[in-house]
Amino acid sequence: QLQLQESGPGLVKPSETLSLTCTVSGGSISSSSYYWGWIRQPPGKGLEWIGSIYYSGSTYYNPSLKSRVTISVDTSKNQFSLKLSSVTAADTAVYYCARRTVTTWFDPWGQGTLVTVSS
Amino acid sequence: NFMLTQPHSVSESPGKTVTISCTRSSGSIASNYVQWYQQRPGSSPTTVIYEDNQRPSGVPDRFSGSIDSSSNSASLTISGLKTEDEADYYCQSYDSSNVFGTGTKVTVL
Repeated sequence: QLQLQESGPGLVKPSETLSLTCTVSGGSISSSSYYWGWIRQPPGKGLEWIGSIYYSGSTYYNPSLKSRVTISVDTSKNQFSLKLSSVTAADTAVYYCARRTVTTWFDPWGQGTLVTVSS
Repeated sequence: NFMLTQPHSVSESPGKTVTISCTRSSGSIASNYVQWYQQRPGSSPTTVIYEDNQRPSGVPDRFSGSIDSSSNSASLTISGLKTEDEADYYCQSYDSSNVFGTGTKVTVL
């Protein structure tokens, strides 16, 4: 059974870079059938797609975040990562990683990790 | 890009039926698949409908999805409501970006 697990610091200072990693187990990140994505959810608010990556390294990002987002993949470790630069309090959220099918269905999701931006 | 608008909340009694709408602001709702996710408090979203009207294994047939091109919207219908259905529900689709709906809180009275 495929599982995804987010990891990274739970507290980031304003203006710094948020860095998270998603480790995939129970399946290969190099499958040609899937993309891998990051989604976030501010406390008490809705879901926002951040971006997605293919195992080859091809990426696409939410236009509203594109200037600050970098997603990368490490197939040798079966991981993909998120970097979000110049963070502010508005970036405080639970960050989820998920697998995305070719028909844009996100499943499964990781358990999520809360990242708080505060000095 | 487009937006997906949902009602903020719906409520109904156990055993009844609720329908949640998801209206696409621009572009055709039929041009890209719509998914529906259930999110219980403190948990990650899980899929209840994918590709407009398909149920993942393990999701009861009380959940159904549909598309209405005339209103440019998708709908999630939950019949025979149970207390365990109380959750937030999000629709999601795609154009050049992945877009999530605004979310609907379902309360089972």
